[in-house]
Order: sequence, then C-alpha cells, then structure tokens
Amino acid sequence: QQPVQSPQAVILREGEDAVINCSSSKALYSVHWYRQKHGEAPVFLMILLKGGEQKGHEKISASFNEKKQQSSLYLTASQLSYSGTYFCGTTSLPMYSGGGADGLTFGKGTHLIIQP
Amino acid sequence: GAGVSQSPRYKVAKRGQDVALRCDPISGHVSLFWYQQALGQGPEFLTYFQNEAQLDKSGLPSDRFFAERPEGSVSTLKIQRTQQEDSAVYLCASSLAVDDEQYFGPGTRLTVT
Repeated sequence: QQPVQSPQAVILREGEDAVINCSSSKALYSVHWYRQKHGEAPVFLMILLKGGEQKGHEKISASFNEKKQQSSLYLTASQLSYSGTYFCGTTSLPMYSGGGADGLTFGKGTHLIIQP
Repeated sequence: GAGVSQSPRYKVAKRGQDVALRCDPISGHVSLFWYQQALGQGPEFLTYFQNEAQLDKSGLPSDRFFAERPEGSVSTLKIQRTQQEDSAVYLCASSLAVDDEQYFGPGTRLTVT
C-alpha cells in the first residue's frame, strides 16, 4: 500500500525550515527519501533502515519511528536549490526475501517551493 | 563517474506499435529496477533484477510488458502493442547491493498516440 505524505505542498522563504512526513499502514523495513526536479531523475537523499541504520547526505536529516510506521525529513535553513518534489519510498521487507514486491513503494510526493 | 543512462529520452509510438526502452546502469551495480511514473505521481515499481536474474516482476501491468537483462548489465524494457494508458515516464534505477540506495536515470518519456 502506498505511503501517505504530508503536507502535499509547502511554500517557504529562503532560510526557513520544513518537515515532510511519510506514514504507512504497514510495518516498514526501510524508508528512502528522494528529491525530484521537474523533468529530471529522482535524486537520492537518505535511507533509513529498521534497527536504526541511516545513510545519506550530510546536510539532510531524517527520523524513522518504526512503531508508528512513520518517517520525517527535516530541511533546515532551506536554500533555493531545495525546491522540488520530495518522495518517500518504502519497503516492508528486506529486498529479495521472497515476501513480495522488491521495489520501493512511493508516496504521491510533497511539492516544496523556496522563494527568495 | 557515469550515472545511469537511458535511451531514448523521448519516444512517440502509435497505438499498437512495439517499443523497446534501454537502461545502462552504473558499472558494478548488481540490482536494477524499472519504475513507471505517471504525470504528477510518484514512481511505481515494475520489475527488479539481481544480476541477470529477474527476481520480481509483480509490478508489470500486463503481459504486454517484458524486461530482460541477459548479461547482468544493460536492461531492456519492451512494451508490445502499446496502448494510450502506457503513456508515462519509465525510470530505471540501479543499486550496488540489495536494500542500498537506488540511483535513477533520467527516464524515457513514452507518448502513445
């Protein structure tokens, strides 16, 4: 089932902070965060795994609440380059565990606009 | 280094035509994924390869869709007898290992007229 992202859209002034949320009705094994600009490929930001392992860009932070099946992406001191659509992609099992789809299940995205 | 590349970047097909979309993953990446992205939506999983083995094709929408990766590197997604609902951006992604971050290509925008 598709994770739900909130908010759907947010407009910020440069330098302001934002939080983007991703929640699932299923138990999660991993959450992946991507940013996509119009007409471009999604760009990897962060991966969070069950058990606490995280990997991602230094300037990006995120949390993963396994009990609540939620993840949040924190954007601080936003820059104009942060504009784009943010997607979370989730897995419920380790890939190639034989339990189902091995790809990411993405949310509908959060549109972020940063104004000067 | 070189990222994931896809060709063609744009493809216009008449309804009923067959199309083939190519993906060149990052060298050494074991896992390869295909996704379909409709306008204004997130990518939707189609199929997954580990080396040359297609381990999951649960997301392919119909038997008109076929994917292969015969030598464990380049992959081709083939759509037979295209329909208008096949119009979308087809994204390819690769990762070094299972459950690792995925690196996406620029996509192929398919328009079926």
